[in-house]
Amino acid sequence: GENVEQHPSTLSVQEGDSAVIKCTYSDSASNYFPWYKQELGKGPQLIIDIRSNVGEKKDQRIAVTLNKTAKHFSLHITETQPEDSAVYFCAARINQGGKLIFGQGTELSVKP
Amino acid sequence: DGGITQSPKYLFRKEGQNVTLSCEQNLNHDAMYWYRQDPGQGLRLIYYSQIVNDFQKGDIAEGYSVSREKKESFPLTVTSAQKNPTAFYLCASSIGLAVDTQYFGPGTRLTVL
Repeated sequence: GENVEQHPSTLSVQEGDSAVIKCTYSDSASNYFPWYKQELGKGPQLIIDIRSNVGEKKDQRIAVTLNKTAKHFSLHITETQPEDSAVYFCAARINQGGKLIFGQGTELSVKP
Repeated sequence: DGGITQSPKYLFRKEGQNVTLSCEQNLNHDAMYWYRQDPGQGLRLIYYSQIVNDFQKGDIAEGYSVSREKKESFPLTVTSAQKNPTAFYLCASSIGLAVDTQYFGPGTRLTVL
């Protein structure tokens, strides 16, 4: 079945720097890749997603890139701010069944 | 104000007791999901439902049960058969099973003493 690996598990950056989180997936039939942000004690919030027919998508300071050949996708956050501090999860969805398989999460800390 | 509500936010139970977690959505979504989250781990799918009166087991369904009698409600029962029930439980919904975007509720933290 599908497996999603996420790295790093923790990431600390200075305010204003960029942060990059990477995920790899195993099932080449995966076609949808969302990223969620989870603040302490809350449910995950969708921040950006990408489908397999697109290589890159950007929304203000957040971007996601997808490399289907290598089966990996990455989240890029530029000009980080303290309020970006949270746990970020990647996920992959295979065409059949509709299930999302989640990565293990990355705890991002942005230091002022 | 549309969204997904889960209650209660914190729940404590004694070992051996069944407990039911509530999930309600007013988004008119057909599909609903239950996930379990443990510290330092990703979300794992317990059960999902794509339509009223239908539900399917996810990856870790043992020790859990669900019902889907109404479109807006998808309660999860954690039974005494669940060996490690202490966790953060998240409910989610999407327009349909084939539609990608899932929206999550605020979660319920269950502690079994």
